[in-house]
Amino acid sequence: GAVVSQHPSWVICKSGTSVKIECRSLDFQATTMFWYRQFPKQSLMLMATSNEGSKATYEQGVEKDKFLINHASLTLSTLTVTSAHPEDSSFYICSASGPSYEQYFGPGTRLTVT
Amino acid sequence: GENVEQHPSTLSVQEGDSAVIKCTYSDSASNYFPWYKQELGKGPQLIIDIRSNVGEKKDQRIAVTLNKTAKHFSLHITETQPEDSAVYFCAARGQAGTALIFGKGTTLSVSS
Repeated sequence: GAVVSQHPSWVICKSGTSVKIECRSLDFQATTMFWYRQFPKQSLMLMATSNEGSKATYEQGVEKDKFLINHASLTLSTLTVTSAHPEDSSFYICSASGPSYEQYFGPGTRLTVT
Repeated sequence: GENVEQHPSTLSVQEGDSAVIKCTYSDSASNYFPWYKQELGKGPQLIIDIRSNVGEKKDQRIAVTLNKTAKHFSLHITETQPEDSAVYFCAARGQAGTALIFGKGTTLSVSS
């Protein structure tokens, strides 16, 4: 299957700082990328959908000014958590969808805000 | 919008037994139903999927069935092995490019 990478795999930051997470599709062009958040022992919750070159579409309840998403190319999307707080600590996972039906997930980024 | 229910939430089987996980969906427009396996600390891995024009699909020990009329689909794992232990998620989606909606997950434990 297709490969999606994320960087970093884990990050610890202090409250009030910003953190950027990168998501790359390595062997295919992703027309659409998705960002999910997953709390321990829970399912994946969709945060936003991004299409290359256009603004992301955020799910209800997700603050677009706090979670900045940039989909600059067909292989790269970034999620920036601005002014992070301890309640933002979570497992953030991106996924990428090409022209077919399949959707492939990255390995995830563990964010801990102290 | 779409809502996906998944049962059971936990499932324990002996090595060699079969495991079945069931999901129902609410949106009749959904036409793509993948299953993902997630190991601790890792991202979900696509293990099998089915589209609405197919009733059953099999890949070695894994099979998925779809009943569009009843709006439910199931994952079947035969001859389970300890390495099958993980959390399994079902999902549903409409047209390509839209987001997957996930069930709450099933924690499968296979004991040897």
